[in-house]
Amino acid sequence: QSALTQPPSASGSLGQSVTISCSGTSSDVGYYKYVSWYQQHPGKAPKLIIYEVNRRPSGVPDRFSGSKSGNTATLTVSGLQVEDEAEYYCSSNVGTNNLMFGGGTKLTVL
Amino acid sequence: QVQLQESGPGLARPSETLSLTCMVSGYSISSGYYWGWIRQPPGEGLEWIGSLHQSGNSYYNPSLKSRVTMSVDTFNNHFSLKLSSVTAADTAVYFCAREWRHYDSGAYLHGRFDPWGQGTLVTVSS
Repeated sequence: QSALTQPPSASGSLGQSVTISCSGTSSDVGYYKYVSWYQQHPGKAPKLIIYEVNRRPSGVPDRFSGSKSGNTATLTVSGLQVEDEAEYYCSSNVGTNNLMFGGGTKLTVL
Repeated sequence: QVQLQESGPGLARPSETLSLTCMVSGYSISSGYYWGWIRQPPGEGLEWIGSLHQSGNSYYNPSLKSRVTMSVDTFNNHFSLKLSSVTAADTAVYFCAREWRHYDSGAYLHGRFDPWGQGTLVTVSS
């Protein structure tokens, strides 16, 4: 089964905004409300930054926001900072007994 | 605050069983939540392996289910993973994480993984 589809790379300048998409189907992203986003710096564990499509855990800056339209979820990072340069992964339920991650997007801050 | 730490051999032989343990501190496993394993081959993306509740309820990745065994030790506050018949394709960093699941659509749906352990690299090689 294929992973959720993310662009392999994205980039933006300091202070600008960037969006990262996570495309699925009506059986996963489009159906379930439990879409999450994780940030992973090299050599580190993933860190939850968005859950249930658009909710932010305590301590995550409000520069990070999430949304969903149809079968595509989107992570928006506003006011890009150097420390935002990382790999980003989305995840979603796929049916009631499976979950999948996206292939990951490497965000570069120019 | 909840912290998780993976431990186990860094090397596994082909066809043998990989065994890892995740020690949980700052929270009692018996109090609830699901507990999950996720892996990441070098330079690749994340793959969910499975999730387990201390009650015994579990969910496994269908592609790995036949080789995966997970267990919980509430006395020592840790949970474990065994992956049998390993090959080089099982070489990865293995992460454990606390998992939030929600009863919805007649099942406990995955909500999120938070927090994660730091991960441990397991290499499968003879």
